[in-house]
Amino acid sequence: AQTVTQSQPEMSVQEAETVTLSCTYDTSESDYYLFWYKQPPSRQMILVIRQEAYKQQNATENRFSVNFQKAAKSFSLKISDSQLGDAAMYFCAFLGFYGGSQGNLIFGKGTKLSVKP
Amino acid sequence: NAGVTQTPKFQVLKTGQSMTLQCAQDMNHEYMSWYRQDPGMGLRLIHYSVGAGITDQGEVPNGYNVSRSTTEDFPLRLLSAAPSQTSVYFCASSPTLGLLSTSLPSGANVLTFGAGSRLTVL
Repeated sequence: AQTVTQSQPEMSVQEAETVTLSCTYDTSESDYYLFWYKQPPSRQMILVIRQEAYKQQNATENRFSVNFQKAAKSFSLKISDSQLGDAAMYFCAFLGFYGGSQGNLIFGKGTKLSVKP
Repeated sequence: NAGVTQTPKFQVLKTGQSMTLQCAQDMNHEYMSWYRQDPGMGLRLIHYSVGAGITDQGEVPNGYNVSRSTTEDFPLRLLSAAPSQTSVYFCASSPTLGLLSTSLPSGANVLTFGAGSRLTVL
C-alpha cells in the first residue's frame, strides 16, 4: 500500500526567508500525482501545487515550488519570501491509479508551519 | 457557484445518537468523498463515490454509511455515534479522480474541499 511520510511535525521560518517542507512516499507505481495542500486556521483545505510524475520539470506556483525526485520518492515544497499568511498546516498527498488505493488521495500527517515577523 | 457546501459546521452529539452530515456540490462533479481529520493523523478516507448510485469504502468506514442518489449530494450518516468519532469531517469532490490521461481537463484529478464540519461526541 502507498504511504506518505512528512517527517517534520513543525517548522518555523522568519518572514521573507525561504523554507523547505519534506515529503517522502512509497509506491510501486510509475504514474501518479503528488500534491501539497495548505490548511490555515480557518480549516479550509487549499491546493498549493500539483506535480504529475510523468513530468520531469518541477512544478512552480508563484512563491511555491517543488523538488520532485522520482527515484528517491521525494517531493519537497519550497516557500520563498515567506509571508505571515503562509502560516498553516501543510499536507503532502499522493494520488495513484492502481492497487488498493486506486483513485483516492492518500495524505501525510502534516507539517505545521509558523512564520515569525 | 458555491463549490462544496457542508452542513452543519459544528455539532455536539451524545453517545448513541444518530445524525447526518450533509454535502452538496454544484459543479457537476462525478467523484465525491468524505475524510476525517484527527490531530497527528492527517486526513483519512471514510467513503467515496465515483458517480450517482456508486459508493465504496475507504480506509476508516466503520460506523458510517453513505449513499449517492444524485450527482450533487453525498450525505454521511453516523448510525450510533461514539466518542471515537469526535473529529473534523471534510467532504471533497472532483470532476474525476483516479483517471490517468493527459487529455483530461486540468481540474480532473484535483479535489475541491468543503469548509469542514466539527463533530463532538460526548
